[in-house]
Amino acid sequence: EAGVAQSPRYKIIEKRQSVAFWCNPISGHATLYWYQQILGQGPKLLIQFQNNGVVDDSQLPKDRFSAERLKGVDSTLKIQPAKLEDSAVYLCASSYTRGTQYFGPGTRLTVL
Amino acid sequence: DAKTTQPPSMDCAEGRAANLPCNHSTISGNEYVYWYRQIHSQGPQYIIHGLKNNETNEMASLIITEDRKSSTLILPHATLRDTAVYYCIVRVGWDLVQGAQKLVFGQGTRLTINP
Repeated sequence: EAGVAQSPRYKIIEKRQSVAFWCNPISGHATLYWYQQILGQGPKLLIQFQNNGVVDDSQLPKDRFSAERLKGVDSTLKIQPAKLEDSAVYLCASSYTRGTQYFGPGTRLTVL
Repeated sequence: DAKTTQPPSMDCAEGRAANLPCNHSTISGNEYVYWYRQIHSQGPQYIIHGLKNNETNEMASLIITEDRKSSTLILPHATLRDTAVYYCIVRVGWDLVQGAQKLVFGQGTRLTINP
């Protein structure tokens, strides 16, 4: 089966600009996650969706980050405006409700 | 979620068994032990998980001590492609309300396979 798809793979922007990342989970997976991985650290959860509802966004900086999962399938994560400290890899993962998480390749964001 | 402790780095010769330890002394009875690895510039890859019994799949074996306070991931015949950061994570499997539970990653063990 096809894995988790993410785009773009790389993005370079200036600080204060906006950026959006897209994720297409594995077909049938009800749960979708966005993680942020700063260089040298393990991934950290930003937001978790169960179908199209948010179940955990406690670590999402809501003043600048937003995410949506319309129709319970694809998801978009947006940063507006970006700061230098947002430079990281943004990982999308998905799973069945009771299942193992599978990760996409990630989007590497560089904020200059 | 329970905290895990892993050595920051390990080396292993190609073709030998790589044994990666993990301590999780505060694990709860309903928490599973999961192992993921992350090869450079890729997303984390699921390896194996278990509750209390030893588990084996095509990638690795997981040995969990009887008291469940520690575990060991075994890669039986390590190859250069096994060079990666290995993460040991403990978590509840799933919740009726939230569904599958998030993974809380630590720093992991950087495993280097040497030719």
